[in-house]
Amino acid sequence: ELKVEQNPLFLSMQEGKNYTIYCNYSTTSDRLYWYRQDPGKSLESLFVLLSNGAVKQEGRLMASLDTKARLSTLHITAAVHDLSATYFCAVDISGNTPLVFGKGTRLSVIA
Amino acid sequence: DAGVIQSPRHEVTEMGQEVTLRCKPISGHNSLFWYRQTMMRGLELLIYFNNNVPIDDSGMPEDRFSAKMPNASFSTLKIQPSEPRDSAVYFCASSKQGPTEQYFGPGTRLTVT
Repeated sequence: ELKVEQNPLFLSMQEGKNYTIYCNYSTTSDRLYWYRQDPGKSLESLFVLLSNGAVKQEGRLMASLDTKARLSTLHITAAVHDLSATYFCAVDISGNTPLVFGKGTRLSVIA
Repeated sequence: DAGVIQSPRHEVTEMGQEVTLRCKPISGHNSLFWYRQTMMRGLELLIYFNNNVPIDDSGMPEDRFSAKMPNASFSTLKIQPSEPRDSAVYFCASSKQGPTEQYFGPGTRLTVT
């Protein structure tokens, strides 16, 4: 059974600081997705990582995938309050089965 | 593209009543997923369909829950009878088959009193 673990689960960081959220998974896969969920809202797709070494960047967020280590990271650069949200990673085993989601990392950026 | 459409957006009902949640997936998507999200349990997959056929309903919590997908553009999740512990946000998501992300609907916030 595929397990997806995110850490930390809760993160409070100051504006302007950098931090990394980690997503580890237990079974071979080269497809991983990051989602963002604002309070009271739905999940919105952020990044799609489809191969080993894939790196995607959008504004202050950068996601990468290391399939050998079974690890994805979501790096936050110079955090701003607007980044406060819950971030989920999700792993795809076969393309024909549902994504397996981590528990989410609740990020709070404070002044 | 309209995205995944869910209705109603909010539902308040009394214990014992039947509740029906509705979902219209994105046109051209042939996989559909129902999720439930609560603070305590997080995001749980209830059931998913490929090409309108239920593939895995092992996440459906009890026989009180049932889901159907009569055609490619419509699915329902029914709870009968509803209980207070069913209070949650229910999300529908759809995707094309193959390695592609799922697109989530806005959710239905269900409150059972």
